[in-house]
Amino acid sequence: ILNVEQSPQSLHVQEGDSTNFTCSFPSSNFYALHWYRWETAKSPEALFVMTLNGDEKKKGRISATLNTKEGYSYLYIKGSQPEDSATYLCARKAAGNKLTFGGGTRVLVKP
Amino acid sequence: NAGVTQTPKFRVLKTGQSMTLLCAQDMNHEYMYWYRQDPGMGLRLIHYSVGEGTTAKGEVPDGYNVSRLKKQNFLLGLESAAPSQTSVYFCASSYSNSPLHFGNGTRLTVT
Repeated sequence: ILNVEQSPQSLHVQEGDSTNFTCSFPSSNFYALHWYRWETAKSPEALFVMTLNGDEKKKGRISATLNTKEGYSYLYIKGSQPEDSATYLCARKAAGNKLTFGGGTRVLVKP
Repeated sequence: NAGVTQTPKFRVLKTGQSMTLLCAQDMNHEYMYWYRQDPGMGLRLIHYSVGEGTTAKGEVPDGYNVSRLKKQNFLLGLESAAPSQTSVYFCASSYSNSPLHFGNGTRLTVT
């Protein structure tokens, strides 16, 4: 993996269902992995900053895991609600503090 | 506490004109970043700074210059604007291990 990649690019979820999506990143020179939630016409807002292999973080119905050895992180949304509709961005911080974003996963929760 | 403030919010330039985008933060953050956001491409890092008087290139630095003369300000300059620089520009700041705080964005159109 040369760049930060997110998959899928977009997904539709039925209200009440749970979902998850992936962020893949170069594992070398890893410093931290960030997750952000970005609603239309607003600025990105931070969800998690993760640094340790095996880290798990939770905020309400949203949680994330981190595997720094293989270079991936999962974001989970449990019991999706319409207000969870947003683009979810991950970003990898390398040594030197360069913070590079993936292309995002756009989530649409249908009532 | 204003957070991260970007000026201007909107601007239309003609090809070849120059301008400076200003980012100001009042949180005493060491790190500041300039990103551009284009449809389908997420956030791409233009330049960043890890402290007053220091700057570094990001993923897409060509056509842009930056300066960090004061800790609270990070300026992004376009010396000779091109249509390819039509984009939404986001500034962000942070401490070392903290998430980014984003400004509200500057929408730039180059005709």
